[in-house]
Amino acid sequence: KAGVTQTPRYLIKTRGQQVTLSCSPISGHRSVSWYQQTPGQGLQFLFEYFSETQRNKGNFPGRFSGRQFSNSRSEMNVSTLELGDSALYLCASWTGSNTEAFFGQGTRLTVV
Amino acid sequence: GQNIDQPTEMTATEGAIVQINCTYQTSGFNGLFWYQQHAGEAPTFLSYNVLDGLEEKGRFSSFLSRSKGYSYLLLKELQMKDSASYLCAVPPNNNDMRFGAGTRLTVKP
Repeated sequence: KAGVTQTPRYLIKTRGQQVTLSCSPISGHRSVSWYQQTPGQGLQFLFEYFSETQRNKGNFPGRFSGRQFSNSRSEMNVSTLELGDSALYLCASWTGSNTEAFFGQGTRLTVV
Repeated sequence: GQNIDQPTEMTATEGAIVQINCTYQTSGFNGLFWYQQHAGEAPTFLSYNVLDGLEEKGRFSSFLSRSKGYSYLLLKELQMKDSASYLCAVPPNNNDMRFGAGTRLTVKP
């Protein structure tokens, strides 16, 4: 069965712009979580969606937002990009019970 | 709140054994996960502990002590391909997966 798919894989944006990243979870998985990974900070939790509802949110500013659609696909949006937003953005899907999460390959965002 | 601590970096020799520790403080506990992440790749699942004790899976073993808020990942017969980051994750509930910053392991010949 297909894994978690994230698009695009690479992205270059300019400061002040906004960006939308997409994540298609494994079929049947209704929970999608987003993470930001930078060399200095490790894997930081952004938010988690289940059945189109945001259930948890990490400590990120309001410029970071997301949503989930009825088919469980999720998008995250970052507005007014800053240089510090340059990172690998990973999404993971899971069934929501005590099982492992499966990660996509990530979107590497570079803000210049 | 939640706090997960792991050593930042470790180095070991091919063929040796290495133990990567993880200590945590969480508002809730739904098991502890270990993931492996090679540079430039997505994290992949290694192990899951929900009860105290040692879980062995081939060259990798994971230990949990809930009363001490402590876990370790033990890697035996190290191979060069084991050079990666190892992430400890402790979900406070069923709704999200919180990770430590990870331990970057370098295996040298």
